[in-house]
Amino acid sequence: QVQLRESGPGLVKPSQTLSLTCTVSGDSISSGDHYWSWVRQSPGKGLEWIANMYFTGGTYYNPSLKSRTTISVDGPKNQFSLNLSSVTAADTAVYYCARGHAAGWGYFDYWGQGALVTVSS
Amino acid sequence: DIQMTQSPSSLSASVGDRVSITCRASQTIGTNLNWYQQKRGRAPDLLIYGASRLHTGVPSRFNGNGSGTDFTLTISGLQPDDFATYSCQQSYFTPWTFGQGTRLGTK
Repeated sequence: QVQLRESGPGLVKPSQTLSLTCTVSGDSISSGDHYWSWVRQSPGKGLEWIANMYFTGGTYYNPSLKSRTTISVDGPKNQFSLNLSSVTAADTAVYYCARGHAAGWGYFDYWGQGALVTVSS
Repeated sequence: DIQMTQSPSSLSASVGDRVSITCRASQTIGTNLNWYQQKRGRAPDLLIYGASRLHTGVPSRFNGNGSGTDFTLTISGLQPDDFATYSCQQSYFTPWTFGQGTRLGTK
């Protein structure tokens, strides 16, 4: 059974960097069959795609966040991480990590439970 | 960016009803349209991908169709577990974008 779990601070101060890690079990992020993604949802709002990481094929970012976003990967630990710099209150959201099929229709078939990150001083 | 507009934004129905939710894309996206169900405080669950393909384990009362710019999710014979928020997502253009969600509540 594939499982994803987000971890990281729940409170970040304005202008600082938000850092979250997604730990994957039941699948290998280095297999190349899937992409590994971050999606967020601001309180009471819709979902927003942040980025897709293809272990063997690079990373694709939402242009609206690209200048502030970095995705990194730790293959041996089967983890991938999100860094979002210069955060403001508008970055307060539940952050999800998710998996998709590299040869599929661009969907997300497994999700983490989500991590609420609040940006506040 | 491709704008995904869902209608209605909310609706009320009863167990056993048949309901439909529409999703309109601001540009043609072929059939690169996915539907998710999300319950309060939970992550989304994939229901349908490729506009009409039922994800593994999803009950057959869920049906998706459409292509180009107009898509529909239909639930036939609503069950108590179906009251949730439904969102569409396009994966034809980067950035991938989601609809704002349709909240399905109990009448």
